[in-house]
Amino acid sequence: KAGVTQTPRYLIKTRGQQVTLSCSPISGHRSVSWYQQTPGQGLQFLFEYFSETQRNKGNFPGRFSGRQFSNSRSEMNVSTLELGDSALYLCASSPGSGEPRAETQYFGPGTRLLVL
Amino acid sequence: GDSVTQMEGPVTLSEEAFLTINCTYTATGYPSLFWYVQYPGEGLQLLLKATKADDKGSNKGFEATYRKETTSFHLEKGSVQVSDSAVYFCALSASRGGSNYKLTFGKGTLLTVNP
Repeated sequence: KAGVTQTPRYLIKTRGQQVTLSCSPISGHRSVSWYQQTPGQGLQFLFEYFSETQRNKGNFPGRFSGRQFSNSRSEMNVSTLELGDSALYLCASSPGSGEPRAETQYFGPGTRLLVL
Repeated sequence: GDSVTQMEGPVTLSEEAFLTINCTYTATGYPSLFWYVQYPGEGLQLLLKATKADDKGSNKGFEATYRKETTSFHLEKGSVQVSDSAVYFCALSASRGGSNYKLTFGKGTLLTVNP
């Protein structure tokens, strides 16, 4: 099976702009989660989608949003970019219908966002 | 809330040395525990996992045992190689209700193995 894919791999934006990142999960996986990785804060959970519905959300401002399509592909959007949004954004997928604590999440290579 | 604490790095070892990376956790309920590895410029790869007390996860010579009494999940390898150089993350997944698929991560430990 193909793994989790994320596009684009690299992005450079300026403050105030908005950005959309895309994630295609492993075939058959219906849960897609997003994480932000920064040197200072480490890996932080943004949100999780299943069957086009957001099931869980982390502690991020409303500028961070996402959605999931009927084919399980997901996008996340960050509006009004700030310098502190520079990070590696990781997407992970899992089947989404098993016992939550036991399911393995499979990660994509990430999108590295630089905000100038 | 849930949290994971892992030993601060960086850790520098010579090839064939013994590796231990400590990980302890705080969680309500009964979490599953994971070790992920991140190579330079890449995403996270699952290294091993354990879903109940006394389970031992193992993969590629790495091992970790789920110790409920000490709330720990220390990563060990008997003989490291240069190719093991990477950042290692300990993580937990705690179930609260039926739909909590969130992973909580430690800060990561950078391992460098010298020839």
